[in-house]
Amino acid sequence: AQSVTQLGSHVSVSEGALVLLRCNYSSSVPPYLFWYVQYPNQGLQLLLKYTSAATLVKGINGFEAEFKKSETSFHLTKPSAHMSDAAEYFCAVTSNTGNQFYFGTGTSLTVIP
Amino acid sequence: NAGVTQTPKFQVLKTGQSMTLQCAQDMNHNSMYWYRQDPGMGLRLIYYSASEGTTDKGEVPNGYNVSRLNKREFSLRLESAAPSQTSVYFCASEVGPNTGELFFGEGSRLTVL
Repeated sequence: AQSVTQLGSHVSVSEGALVLLRCNYSSSVPPYLFWYVQYPNQGLQLLLKYTSAATLVKGINGFEAEFKKSETSFHLTKPSAHMSDAAEYFCAVTSNTGNQFYFGTGTSLTVIP
Repeated sequence: NAGVTQTPKFQVLKTGQSMTLQCAQDMNHNSMYWYRQDPGMGLRLIYYSASEGTTDKGEVPNGYNVSRLNKREFSLRLESAAPSQTSVYFCASEVGPNTGELFFGEGSRLTVL
């Protein structure tokens, strides 16, 4: 079965600094990979999605992620953190049949002014 | 407004009581999902429904039942609540067939005493 592992349950960055949130997927190449964001007391929202069309995926709010097959990774980055980026971020993967989704345990991002 | 609506938003139950969480979407999506979110464990799939009239178990179905009443509505029932079912429950629908993109409700926070 597909799975994802998020390294670091809490990440703190200064405002304006680089954001790097790590995600590794299980060894078989998944159909789709995602990053979702959850703001306090809200449901999850899609940030970006990898579909094999391009290894560098751009999402909303200046975030992007790069698919690296050699490292089985799909890390999320943003060049310059903003206070409004403070949230919990989840990496997710679809099953090989595409009808189930598996989420990582989440990374809470704190942005320090 | 279009979206996924969950009711109730908050509920406190005593052990052994039953209740149903309601979910409705007005986006004409075929697939719908129920997840639970627990600290440090991310989101875990309870049940999903690929289309009206069909339901399937996810990772953690024990203690739950679901009904896909029609295309819009997908309910989650706890027949005899247990403290281990204290969680935040999210309903989601898939934006389109095999898109892998989920649209989430705002969640239902359930406490079982």
